[in-house]
Formats: sequence, C-alpha cells, structure tokens
Amino acid sequence: NAGVTQTPKFQVLKTGQSMTLQCAQDMNHNSMYWYRQDPGMGLRLIYYSASEGTTDKGEVPNGYNVSRLNKREFSLRLESAAPSQTSVYFCASTGASSGNTIYFGEGSWLTVV
Amino acid sequence: QKEVEQNSGPLSVPEGAIASLNCTYSDRGSQSFFWYRQYSGKSPELIMFIYSNGDKEDGRFTAQLNKASQYVSLLIRDSQPSDSATYLCAVSMNTGFQKLVFGTGTRLLVSP
Repeated sequence: NAGVTQTPKFQVLKTGQSMTLQCAQDMNHNSMYWYRQDPGMGLRLIYYSASEGTTDKGEVPNGYNVSRLNKREFSLRLESAAPSQTSVYFCASTGASSGNTIYFGEGSWLTVV
Repeated sequence: QKEVEQNSGPLSVPEGAIASLNCTYSDRGSQSFFWYRQYSGKSPELIMFIYSNGDKEDGRFTAQLNKASQYVSLLIRDSQPSDSATYLCAVSMNTGFQKLVFGTGTRLLVSP
C-alpha cells in the first residue's frame, strides 16, 4: 500500500544544475500538489494540479515547473537550482476516494550548494 | 499578516495533562480546517478536520472551531510522550477540492 511515493529522497545539487523530483500516487486521486517546507516558514504550496491535464501556480512558483504526466504522476522540475531552493519538498494528493483528505509523500531533502 | 497563525512553542505539558493548541486565520471565507501532526524528519499526517462551528471529538483529540472569532484549536487529552511532535494547522477555502494554507506549526513536548 504505497500511497504517495517521491523520488529521490535526498539530493545535493550545485547552483545552476537542473533536476526533476518525481511523484506518483496509487490512490486514484484527481488532485496533486507540491509543497516546500522551510524552518519557520511552514509548508508553502509551489504548484498544484486539480485534475489530470491542469496545473496552476501556488504561493511560491518562481524557479519551478511542473508536469502532470498522467493521473498518477506529477513531477517538479528545477531548471537552474539556486541555494534558496534548499528545502524539503513534499508531494501530496487528494481525491474522493480518500474523502478529499490530503495525503503526503515522505519528502525529498534537497540541498543546493 | 500571515493567513494562518500559530504560536511556534514549544508547548510543554506533563504526561497525562491536556495540551491545548491554537490557530487563528485571516480569511473569513475559509471553509475547512485541518490539524496535521508532523514528527521530526517525517511527513505531515492528518489528525482531524472540522467544517462546522463547535467541537468535534475523535478519541483523545478534540477540534474546536469558532468562525466568528476565526479561531480553531486542538485539544489533546491524556497527553503521551508519543504525542511530542509539531502540530500544523491548515485552512482551505473549499470543502471539496483542497488547496491548503498551513500555519508554521506548534511544537509540543510531553514530558514523562
């Protein structure tokens, strides 16, 4: 019973490098999200996808792009990583099958040096 | 002003006591209110949600909502050391599709 799976769990990047965080859910959820969590800032929404084929900006979208590849998968891309993007990233999903409760993945720890 | 405010703590309570965690929100149109628990290095996990004014109880947990005062709280009865974690309050404008705004969390420490 995997739920929401994120990869990689840990990553160190150099400034200017690019990478993609992968997220997949097996709960047949329509909606998926990417949050970042920083000390003293709480969880902040980067992008979300209310349903397959749609994506929208959240509170802090600058420096990121997303792709809703299909109903299961929602990826987050950093095109040119900056030290300010050092954070813990959480993917999440929700849908009618879970009573519209949001479930989170285990997190991806990203350090940009 | 941040949309969802929580005292960062730590809130320290002895084992067996009642822990009271508070949250205020700024948007009067908010419809759904959630409490998540997050252990250090782990992802948030849902404890309770509440939509209507009043109290909602689930085991040792009680959520209280007062929309007029824009205030939501979480009471934990018979606190256990295993309850030591950061508690995140989250608010949504909808009751269907959820786009949550989180507070920064309150760290709770329960001492044996």
